[in-house]
Amino acid sequence: EIVMTQSPATLSVSPGKRATLSCRASQSVSTNLAWYQQKPGQAPRLLIYGASTRATGISARFSGSGSGTEFTLTISSLQSEDFALYYCQQYDNWPPMYTFGQGTKLEIK
Amino acid sequence: QVQLVQSGTEVKKPGSSVKVSCKASGDTFSSYPMSWVRQAPGQGLEWMGGIIPIFGTADYAQNFQGRVTITADESTSTVYMELSSLRSEDTAVYYCARGSGGWYVYWGQGTLVTVSS
Repeated sequence: EIVMTQSPATLSVSPGKRATLSCRASQSVSTNLAWYQQKPGQAPRLLIYGASTRATGISARFSGSGSGTEFTLTISSLQSEDFALYYCQQYDNWPPMYTFGQGTKLEIK
Repeated sequence: QVQLVQSGTEVKKPGSSVKVSCKASGDTFSSYPMSWVRQAPGQGLEWMGGIIPIFGTADYAQNFQGRVTITADESTSTVYMELSSLRSEDTAVYYCARGSGGWYVYWGQGTLVTVSS
């Protein structure tokens, strides 16, 4: 099983600043990586797939990068609605044996 | 507009089974992978398994092998997840999600399953 490790567990950033979230895979997943945002009581929302492609309707303030085992989600100019939980997910296996990271909580500083 | 509507809250005894449904609408059902993801209280997301309805065979995460069964009914555009031998640690919100290349755009609203004696 591919283990996904996110860091940090909690990130405190001021509104208007930039946040950088990391995700590491225990083995290469190429660019088969997605990022999700989740707010309390809601289902996750897809932000990024293919490591760097924004999903439909996602603000350009969200950007993803990386390949292999190291990935980054960057949120520029943080707005109040961006403070939430963020998860990475790898989908490199076939047959599918997908896994999520444990999440990063982005909180207001 | 794709919608995934899940069945309601369940309360189960330890050792019993639960079957959660997810009805899809708004798009072709059979050719898209449908998966189940759960989230225990205060915890992260855990992929349980998935199925492509047109093929009918499911794949399961190692943690759930032997305890979970995912099926699909093309006639009603519904996918099911049955989890057996329930224990307190299975208390969680269970989500269905429609896959597209491995990532999930569309999610159900979640079904809370509580396991308690």
